[in-house]
Amino acid sequence: DSGVTQTPKHLITATGQRVTLRCSPRSGDLSVYWYQQSLDQGLQFLIQYYNGEERAKGNILERFSAQQFPDLHSELNLSSLELGDSALYFCASSSGIQETQYFGPGTRLLVL
Amino acid sequence: TQLLEQSPQFLSIQEGENLTVYCNSSSVFSSLQWYRQEPGEGPVLLVTVVTGGEVKKLKRLTFQFGDARKDSSLHITAAQPGDTGLYLCAGFYNNNDMRFGAGTRLTVKP
Repeated sequence: DSGVTQTPKHLITATGQRVTLRCSPRSGDLSVYWYQQSLDQGLQFLIQYYNGEERAKGNILERFSAQQFPDLHSELNLSSLELGDSALYFCASSSGIQETQYFGPGTRLLVL
Repeated sequence: TQLLEQSPQFLSIQEGENLTVYCNSSSVFSSLQWYRQEPGEGPVLLVTVVTGGEVKKLKRLTFQFGDARKDSSLHITAAQPGDTGLYLCAGFYNNNDMRFGAGTRLTVKP
């Protein structure tokens, strides 16, 4: 158990819909990272937050957004969902900016 | 194009055999991590290498960071079925951007 929690574990929705994925980092960690993992793309970095502020952006679509709240939990919002958004979404946390990342168990999103 | 190229992509071996997987890049990394991921689970950190030429051992696993800090290898001695999984290397690129290789999917048959 990494100490990072993600909810929900599974999510099935339809194209065009909007979903919110939630992540609680390890106790004391200030950084939260979001990744997307699909079979053909591998693990892709989406976005990083540090102590509530956005620190780095990767291959995140404009339909996707995220935020980190004062209690340090984070949410990833995915809107206007497409079939190709079906993937595993992982959250990771670390104590600092370039410190070791610990991954949560992931949310499996299926868009029908 | 992956910033970190891992090879081989797939590897299937018998229990007891040795194997080496590779992680290569044209970029220099300040540190490089190796993770193992099992189906349906998040990646779990195995090791972080920081110094060029560094060698770290974790039981039957030996990790090496290249002298120029552009490549790394993972050697497993006497592989066991429990070693089966997806092995990912990762490094920080442009400060905060963590990049992962596509992984080596290892299957160890009993």
